[in-house]
Amino acid sequence: RKEVEQDPGPFNVPEGATVAFNCTYSNSASQSFFWYRQDCRKEPKLLMSVYSSGNEDGRFTAQLNRASQYISLLIRDSKLSDSATYLCVVRSDSNYQLIWGAGTKLIIKP
Amino acid sequence: DVKVTQSSRYLVKRTGEKVFLECVQDMDHENMFWYRQDPGLGLRLIYFSYDVKMKEKGDIPEGYSVSREKKERFSLILESASTNQTSMYLCASSSGGASFRVDNEQFFGPGTRLTVL
Repeated sequence: RKEVEQDPGPFNVPEGATVAFNCTYSNSASQSFFWYRQDCRKEPKLLMSVYSSGNEDGRFTAQLNRASQYISLLIRDSKLSDSATYLCVVRSDSNYQLIWGAGTKLIIKP
Repeated sequence: DVKVTQSSRYLVKRTGEKVFLECVQDMDHENMFWYRQDPGLGLRLIYFSYDVKMKEKGDIPEGYSVSREKKERFSLILESASTNQTSMYLCASSSGGASFRVDNEQFFGPGTRLTVL
């Protein structure tokens, strides 16, 4: 089993819709969680950190569920420019390295 | 604006060649990282460095070495390139140093797509 798992998609979503996807992690000792965004043929960029209490940044909401060991990303009122691959990143307590998911591809259609 | 640059966007090499990938950051960051990204696998850490002349193995260091002679520059070396090293190579940097503040944002270069024939 992979340490960090994501549905590869693609998620095809009409513009203006709400979309959500999850990322599961296997190490219950994991401490820090992030969502990075990677546009086609570009480098990853930090989208947001995921805090225990959840956090919101504009149209984006990230949540952490420690009991079920997953994090989620919700995008409201999706825009064409939201089309990208969303990478889930986890840091465990025992290993200071970041573990990267393979990403979920999102395509917003007009 | 923060910037991480990589020496080449595309590189084609032959099996057995020695390959140098260069990465330079202008943010005075202590930490620098080399990853490779392959379809369906996500980013995998090859090596990282938290200070000049310091290096630590990541998850997949076999077949690679690194050099960090200056704070701003982190080089990845493929001693004898093989076809299974065909991949996208991404360099990143972050602040933090030996305190392993790895929760600090990592800034990535544009990547080098290496093809080994």
